[in-house]
Amino acid sequence: SQQGEEDPQALSIQEGENATMNCSYKTSINNLQWYRQNSGRGLVHLILIRSNEREKHSGRLRVTLDTSKKSSSLLITASRAADTASYFCAPPSGGTSYGKLTFGQGTILTVHP
Amino acid sequence: EAQVTQNPRYLITVTGKKLTVTCSQNMNHEYMSWYRQDPGLGLRQIYYSMNVEVTDKGDVPEGYKVSRKEKRNFPLILESPSPNQTSLYFCASSLSSPGQTSYEQYFGPGTRLTVT
Repeated sequence: SQQGEEDPQALSIQEGENATMNCSYKTSINNLQWYRQNSGRGLVHLILIRSNEREKHSGRLRVTLDTSKKSSSLLITASRAADTASYFCAPPSGGTSYGKLTFGQGTILTVHP
Repeated sequence: EAQVTQNPRYLITVTGKKLTVTCSQNMNHEYMSWYRQDPGLGLRQIYYSMNVEVTDKGDVPEGYKVSRKEKRNFPLILESPSPNQTSLYFCASSLSSPGQTSYEQYFGPGTRLTVT
């Protein structure tokens, strides 16, 4: 079944560095979302990218989508300690039709001051 | 302010004692969903609702019930809680169901449930 799988599982960087997280999925989609979760809190929506978009920006976030490879990446530029969180990609499980969002285990990002 | 609220935020209970976790959203969203989050397993969907009086099972529905009598509320009911339902629970809502045109999901702050 569809599930976003994030890679790496954990990432540790220094403040100011860039952080790149990858996501792979199995079935065709029309869109994909990225979420952030601070420890023990609810998930917060970051960005939604549609299948006809290859790249999308939001502030320091850059998301790419390669539908031919069934993969997406999230780049956080000039990271800050406040970016420390878990990051999840969420493709719809129903592929191109009705479905639900599916979440993997996420990438745990630690940004050291 | 647009938000999803859950109550209680923390709950410790004993096996077999029925409990309800409430969820309410103020955004007139059609779609609502319950997830549980466990270490090493990520978020798993328990139940979802596409609209009032329309509910369906997610990936892990056993031991749970839901109802959607009003658009804003989507309570999660554990009729006879067991220790394996100890988890962090999240309610979420969005404009409509994910799929061809997805919308962002708004998550509640979570309910940490311990069943002893």
